[in-house]
Amino acid sequence: SAVISQKPSRDICQRGTSLTIQCQVDSQVTMMFWYRQQPGQSLTLIATANQGSEATYESGFVIDKFPISRPNLTFSTLTVSNMSPEDSSIYLCSVALSGRGVGQPQHFGDGTRLSIL
Amino acid sequence: GENVEQHPSTLSVQEGDSAVIKCTYSDSASNYFPWYKQELGKGPQLIIDIRSNVGEKKDQRIAVTLNKTAKHFSLHITETQPEDSAVYFCAAVLNGKLTFGQGTILTVHP
Repeated sequence: SAVISQKPSRDICQRGTSLTIQCQVDSQVTMMFWYRQQPGQSLTLIATANQGSEATYESGFVIDKFPISRPNLTFSTLTVSNMSPEDSSIYLCSVALSGRGVGQPQHFGDGTRLSIL
Repeated sequence: GENVEQHPSTLSVQEGDSAVIKCTYSDSASNYFPWYKQELGKGPQLIIDIRSNVGEKKDQRIAVTLNKTAKHFSLHITETQPEDSAVYFCAAVLNGKLTFGQGTILTVHP
Protein backbone atom coordinates (compact mmCIF):
# COMPACT_ATOMS: atom_id res chain seq x y z
CA SER A 1 0.00 0.00 0.00
CA ALA A 2 0.99 3.68 0.11
CA VAL A 3 1.37 6.31 2.79
CA ILE A 4 -1.10 9.13 2.15
CA SER A 5 -0.56 12.35 4.09
CA GLN A 6 -3.09 15.14 4.29
CA LYS A 7 -2.44 18.62 5.62
CA PRO A 8 -3.86 20.21 7.65
CA SER A 9 -5.46 17.46 9.72
CA ARG A 10 -8.02 19.94 11.03
CA ASP A 11 -8.79 23.63 10.89
CA ILE A 12 -11.30 26.19 12.07
CA CYS A 13 -11.95 28.95 9.56
CA GLN A 14 -14.01 32.10 9.26
CA ARG A 15 -16.81 32.25 6.74
CA GLY A 16 -15.88 33.85 3.45
CA THR A 17 -12.27 32.67 3.59
CA SER A 18 -10.61 29.88 1.59
CA LEU A 19 -8.50 26.92 2.68
CA THR A 20 -6.19 24.73 0.61
CA ILE A 21 -5.82 21.09 1.62
CA GLN A 22 -2.77 19.12 0.51
CA CYS A 23 -2.53 15.42 -0.27
CA GLN A 24 0.91 13.83 -0.61
CA VAL A 25 1.54 10.19 -1.53
CA ASP A 26 4.85 8.42 -1.02
CA SER A 27 4.71 6.73 -4.44
CA GLN A 28 3.42 7.56 -7.89
CA VAL A 29 -0.25 6.72 -8.33
CA THR A 30 -2.48 6.59 -11.36
CA MET A 31 -5.59 8.19 -9.92
CA MET A 32 -6.35 10.59 -7.09
CA PHE A 33 -9.79 11.52 -5.78
CA TRP A 34 -11.30 14.01 -3.37
CA TYR A 35 -14.31 13.13 -1.20
CA ARG A 36 -16.45 14.95 1.32
CA GLN A 37 -17.85 13.31 4.43
CA GLN A 38 -20.36 15.42 6.30
CA PRO A 39 -20.66 14.78 10.07
CA GLY A 40 -22.01 11.30 10.72
CA GLN A 41 -22.61 10.71 7.03
CA SER A 42 -21.24 8.66 4.18
CA LEU A 43 -18.63 9.69 1.62
CA THR A 44 -19.48 11.69 -1.50
CA LEU A 45 -17.09 12.04 -4.43
CA ILE A 46 -16.23 15.67 -5.20
CA ALA A 47 -13.90 15.17 -8.16
CA THR A 48 -11.19 13.10 -9.79
CA ALA A 49 -7.86 14.93 -9.84
CA ASN A 50 -6.25 14.44 -13.25
CA GLN A 51 -2.52 14.86 -13.59
CA GLY A 52 -1.69 17.70 -15.98
CA SER A 53 -5.29 18.58 -16.82
CA GLU A 54 -8.44 19.93 -15.27
CA ALA A 55 -10.19 17.87 -12.61
CA THR A 56 -13.41 16.01 -13.40
CA TYR A 57 -16.19 17.20 -11.08
CA GLU A 58 -19.25 15.31 -9.94
CA SER A 59 -22.74 16.70 -10.10
CA GLY A 60 -23.24 19.34 -7.45
CA PHE A 61 -19.59 20.35 -7.24
CA VAL A 62 -18.02 23.13 -9.33
CA ILE A 63 -14.51 24.27 -10.02
CA ASP A 64 -15.07 27.80 -8.73
CA LYS A 65 -15.98 26.45 -5.30
CA PHE A 66 -13.54 23.50 -5.18
CA PRO A 67 -10.52 24.22 -7.39
CA ILE A 68 -8.17 21.25 -7.59
CA SER A 69 -4.59 20.95 -8.72
CA ARG A 70 -2.53 17.88 -9.50
CA PRO A 71 0.90 18.93 -10.73
CA ASN A 72 2.44 15.44 -10.60
CA LEU A 73 1.72 11.79 -9.81
CA THR A 74 2.26 12.12 -6.04
CA PHE A 75 0.57 15.39 -5.03
CA SER A 76 -2.79 17.14 -5.22
CA THR A 77 -4.52 20.06 -3.57
CA LEU A 78 -8.18 20.86 -2.96
CA THR A 79 -9.23 24.42 -2.15
CA VAL A 80 -12.52 25.12 -0.43
CA SER A 81 -13.39 28.66 -1.51
CA ASN A 82 -15.57 31.32 0.06
CA MET A 83 -16.46 29.00 2.91
CA SER A 84 -19.80 28.92 4.71
CA PRO A 85 -20.91 26.83 7.71
CA GLU A 86 -22.40 24.28 5.27
CA ASP A 87 -18.83 23.46 4.16
CA SER A 88 -18.02 22.07 7.60
CA SER A 89 -17.05 18.49 6.79
CA ILE A 90 -14.23 16.01 6.60
CA TYR A 91 -12.41 16.25 3.27
CA LEU A 92 -10.65 13.06 2.22
CA CYS A 93 -8.07 12.30 -0.42
CA SER A 94 -7.91 8.82 -1.90
CA VAL A 95 -5.62 7.15 -4.40
CA ALA A 96 -5.68 4.16 -6.71
CA LEU A 97 -2.22 2.64 -6.72
CA SER A 98 -2.44 0.93 -10.07
CA GLY A 99 -4.65 0.50 -13.07
CA ARG A 100 -7.13 2.85 -14.65
CA GLY A 101 -10.78 3.43 -13.98
CA VAL A 102 -12.64 3.46 -10.71
CA GLY A 103 -12.83 -0.33 -10.39
CA GLN A 104 -9.49 -0.36 -8.59
CA PRO A 105 -8.85 -0.44 -4.84
CA GLN A 106 -8.79 3.05 -3.37
CA HIS A 107 -6.83 3.95 -0.26
CA PHE A 108 -7.66 6.97 1.87
CA GLY A 109 -5.76 9.52 3.87
CA ASP A 110 -6.95 10.40 7.37
CA GLY A 111 -8.80 13.47 6.15
CA THR A 112 -9.00 17.16 6.99
CA ARG A 113 -11.63 18.10 9.57
CA LEU A 114 -12.90 21.53 8.65
CA SER A 115 -15.15 23.71 10.80
CA ILE A 116 -16.48 27.04 9.57
CA LEU A 117 -17.59 29.66 12.07
CA GLY B 1 -30.75 7.44 -9.23
CA GLU B 2 -28.10 4.80 -8.77
CA ASN B 3 -27.38 4.08 -5.13
CA VAL B 4 -26.14 1.62 -2.55
CA GLU B 5 -28.38 0.69 0.38
CA GLN B 6 -26.70 -0.59 3.56
CA HIS B 7 -28.29 -2.32 6.57
CA PRO B 8 -28.34 -2.22 9.51
CA SER B 9 -27.34 1.32 10.44
CA THR B 10 -26.21 0.13 13.88
CA LEU B 11 -25.20 -3.32 15.06
CA SER B 12 -24.32 -4.37 18.58
CA VAL B 13 -22.81 -7.79 19.34
CA GLN B 14 -21.05 -9.60 22.14
CA GLU B 15 -17.39 -10.40 21.78
CA GLY B 16 -16.97 -13.71 19.98
CA ASP B 17 -20.27 -13.47 18.12
CA SER B 18 -20.53 -13.00 14.36
CA ALA B 19 -21.62 -9.80 12.64
CA VAL B 20 -23.21 -9.49 9.22
CA ILE B 21 -23.74 -6.28 7.24
CA LYS B 22 -25.71 -6.28 4.01
CA CYS B 23 -25.74 -3.99 0.98
CA THR B 24 -27.81 -3.83 -2.17
CA TYR B 25 -26.96 -1.94 -5.34
CA SER B 26 -28.99 -0.75 -8.29
CA ASP B 27 -26.63 -0.97 -11.27
CA SER B 28 -26.39 -4.48 -12.68
CA ALA B 29 -23.22 -3.43 -14.53
CA SER B 30 -21.33 -2.90 -11.24
CA ASN B 31 -18.29 -5.14 -11.07
CA TYR B 32 -16.29 -4.04 -8.03
CA PHE B 33 -17.41 -4.06 -4.38
CA PRO B 34 -15.04 -2.92 -1.61
CA TRP B 35 -15.64 -2.73 2.14
CA TYR B 36 -14.09 -0.08 4.36
CA LYS B 37 -13.62 0.24 8.12
CA GLN B 38 -13.45 3.74 9.57
CA GLU B 39 -12.27 4.32 13.11
CA LEU B 40 -12.83 7.57 14.94
CA GLY B 41 -10.59 10.33 13.65
CA LYS B 42 -9.23 8.19 10.83
CA GLY B 43 -9.85 7.78 7.13
CA PRO B 44 -11.63 4.71 5.74
CA GLN B 45 -9.41 1.62 5.56
CA LEU B 46 -9.95 -0.93 2.82
CA ILE B 47 -10.47 -4.29 4.54
CA ILE B 48 -11.68 -6.55 1.76
CA ASP B 49 -13.06 -6.31 -1.76
CA ILE B 50 -14.67 -8.60 -4.32
CA ARG B 51 -15.15 -8.53 -8.07
CA SER B 52 -18.23 -9.67 -9.93
CA ASN B 53 -16.60 -12.83 -11.27
CA VAL B 54 -16.25 -14.21 -7.73
CA GLY B 55 -19.03 -15.28 -5.37
CA GLU B 56 -17.11 -15.27 -2.10
CA LYS B 57 -13.78 -14.10 -0.70
CA LYS B 58 -12.31 -14.67 2.72
CA ASP B 59 -9.46 -13.12 4.67
CA GLN B 60 -9.01 -14.58 8.15
CA ARG B 61 -12.08 -13.52 10.19
CA ILE B 62 -13.57 -11.43 7.41
CA ALA B 63 -15.51 -12.69 4.40
CA VAL B 64 -17.56 -11.07 1.69
CA THR B 65 -20.26 -12.76 -0.39
CA LEU B 66 -21.77 -11.48 -3.62
CA ASN B 67 -25.07 -12.41 -5.24
CA LYS B 68 -25.09 -10.78 -8.66
CA THR B 69 -28.56 -11.96 -9.56
CA ALA B 70 -30.09 -10.38 -6.49
CA LYS B 71 -27.64 -7.43 -6.61
CA HIS B 72 -26.57 -7.70 -3.01
CA PHE B 73 -23.35 -8.35 -1.15
CA SER B 74 -22.55 -8.91 2.50
CA LEU B 75 -19.69 -8.56 4.96
CA HIS B 76 -19.27 -11.31 7.53
CA ILE B 77 -17.04 -10.90 10.58
CA THR B 78 -16.57 -13.96 12.76
CA GLU B 79 -15.24 -14.16 16.32
CA THR B 80 -15.68 -10.44 16.78
CA GLN B 81 -13.32 -8.54 19.05
CA PRO B 82 -13.69 -5.12 20.72
CA GLU B 83 -11.17 -3.68 18.24
CA ASP B 84 -13.62 -4.51 15.44
CA SER B 85 -15.81 -1.68 16.76
CA ALA B 86 -15.93 0.99 14.03
CA VAL B 87 -18.08 2.32 11.20
CA TYR B 88 -18.18 0.00 8.19
CA PHE B 89 -18.98 1.19 4.67
CA CYS B 90 -19.79 -0.88 1.64
CA ALA B 91 -19.29 0.58 -1.83
CA ALA B 92 -19.96 -0.26 -5.46
CA VAL B 93 -18.95 1.23 -8.77
CA LEU B 94 -22.08 2.96 -10.08
CA ASN B 95 -22.12 5.19 -13.15
CA GLY B 96 -18.35 5.16 -13.29
CA LYS B 97 -17.72 6.24 -9.72
CA LEU B 98 -17.32 4.58 -6.36
CA THR B 99 -20.59 5.03 -4.47
CA PHE B 100 -20.77 4.35 -0.74
CA GLY B 101 -23.49 2.96 1.46
CA GLN B 102 -24.71 4.92 4.45
CA GLY B 103 -22.50 3.08 6.93
CA THR B 104 -22.99 0.68 9.84
CA ILE B 105 -21.85 1.49 13.35
CA LEU B 106 -20.61 -1.81 14.79
CA THR B 107 -20.13 -2.06 18.54
CA VAL B 108 -18.53 -5.18 20.01
CA HIS B 109 -19.10 -5.50 23.76
CA PRO B 110 -16.42 -7.27 25.81
